[in-house]
Amino acid sequence: GAVVSQHPSWVICKSGTSVKIECRSLDFQATTMFWYRQFPKQSLMLMATSNEGSKATYEQGVEKDKFLINHASLTLSTLTVTSAHPEDSSFYICSGELEDEQYFGPGTRLTVT
Amino acid sequence: GNSVTQMEGPVTLSEEAFLTINCTYTATGYPSLFWYVQYPGEGLQLLLKATKADDKGSNKGFEATYRKETTSFHLEKGSVQVSDSAVYFCALSDRQGAQKLVFGQGTRLTINP
Repeated sequence: GAVVSQHPSWVICKSGTSVKIECRSLDFQATTMFWYRQFPKQSLMLMATSNEGSKATYEQGVEKDKFLINHASLTLSTLTVTSAHPEDSSFYICSGELEDEQYFGPGTRLTVT
Repeated sequence: GNSVTQMEGPVTLSEEAFLTINCTYTATGYPSLFWYVQYPGEGLQLLLKATKADDKGSNKGFEATYRKETTSFHLEKGSVQVSDSAVYFCALSDRQGAQKLVFGQGTRLTINP
């Protein structure tokens, strides 16, 4: 149980375009979901906390207008990278919280050309 | 702020060898401590956790003890298997549960038969 999926698993987009990444909790309801970013050989960095039905809480230094997060239902949160640039290329990971534990998706590799 | 430092990898061992992956932390208050494991192509999974000083977390033959005096949470296993090959992340949360996790940089472990 407690499975989280992400879609797509990888995406390539052109500079200046927007890309949406979906995070779904498949067998549980996640009031809270988290979005992380991971650079090669580096740690996961928390970008934002997403609460169903309310605005996301962004970590310091994360541009909320660039990384739009929507948590419209208890099983789906989306991250939209707007006007993507090559420096946004990274591995994006989401997680859903259930009973004080986080369950992680497999991640989405974004490459901006 | 809170931070986690792990020993750098990659770590390569032979099957049945003893494993230690060092993890130290900096935090205010009394954080909860976690080890997560990421197998190839999968999301992070909770391996074990400890929520207060001197607690020992254990799972699948892995152990880690919460040492407040040395601010450490080293991961150990007495006899590793090829199937233990993965990336291991140490993490802390300054809350009781796994909210707002701060991760170490990860240690890639490879076990050779």
